[in-house]
Amino acid sequence: DIQMTQSPSSLSASVGDRVTISCRASQGIRNDLGWFQQKPGKAPKRLIYAASSLQSGVPSRFSGSGSGTEFTLTISSLQPEDFATYYCLQHNSSPYTFGQGTKLEI
Amino acid sequence: QVQLVQSGSELKKPGASVKVSCKASGYSFTTFGLNWVRQAPGQGLEWMGWINTITGNPTYAQGFTGRFVFSLDTSVSTTYLQINDLKAEDTAVYYCARDAVLDPWGQGTPVTVSS
Repeated sequence: DIQMTQSPSSLSASVGDRVTISCRASQGIRNDLGWFQQKPGKAPKRLIYAASSLQSGVPSRFSGSGSGTEFTLTISSLQPEDFATYYCLQHNSSPYTFGQGTKLEI
Repeated sequence: QVQLVQSGSELKKPGASVKVSCKASGYSFTTFGLNWVRQAPGQGLEWMGWINTITGNPTYAQGFTGRFVFSLDTSVSTTYLQINDLKAEDTAVYYCARDAVLDPWGQGTPVTVSS
């Protein structure tokens, strides 16, 4: 199985900050990676697909990069509504696997 | 618009069974597979497996074999998750999500197992 190591597990930041979240795959997954945002009591929402493509309707302050084994999600200027938990997901091979999550807090 | 709507919350006793539904709309049902994801209280997301909506063939992740059953009714564009012989550790929110890229998601179905 492919392991996804996500870091950090939690992050304190302020409105306007630039933040980066990382995911490392235990083996190469090409660009078969998505990033998801989850707010308390809500279903996850996809932000990024194919490692770097922005989901329609998602603000441009979100961006993704990487290929192979190293991936990052960047939020260029944090807004109050961005405080949530973020997950990466690899869908290169079964079983699909999520990162452990990053809780972004004020 | 593309939408997945799940059935409501469930409260069950240990040893019972539960069947959660996920109804798709806004697209051709057999075009994409459907995944199931579990989230235990306060925990992260765990991929349970997926079902091929053309063949009905399910694929289960390790840890979700035996008591967990994915099924389909293509006539109503719905996929089902049945969990048999429920245990306290099955208490979680269960989500369906479309395709390998998991978009969109259903709203989630909380399942509570308690005596």
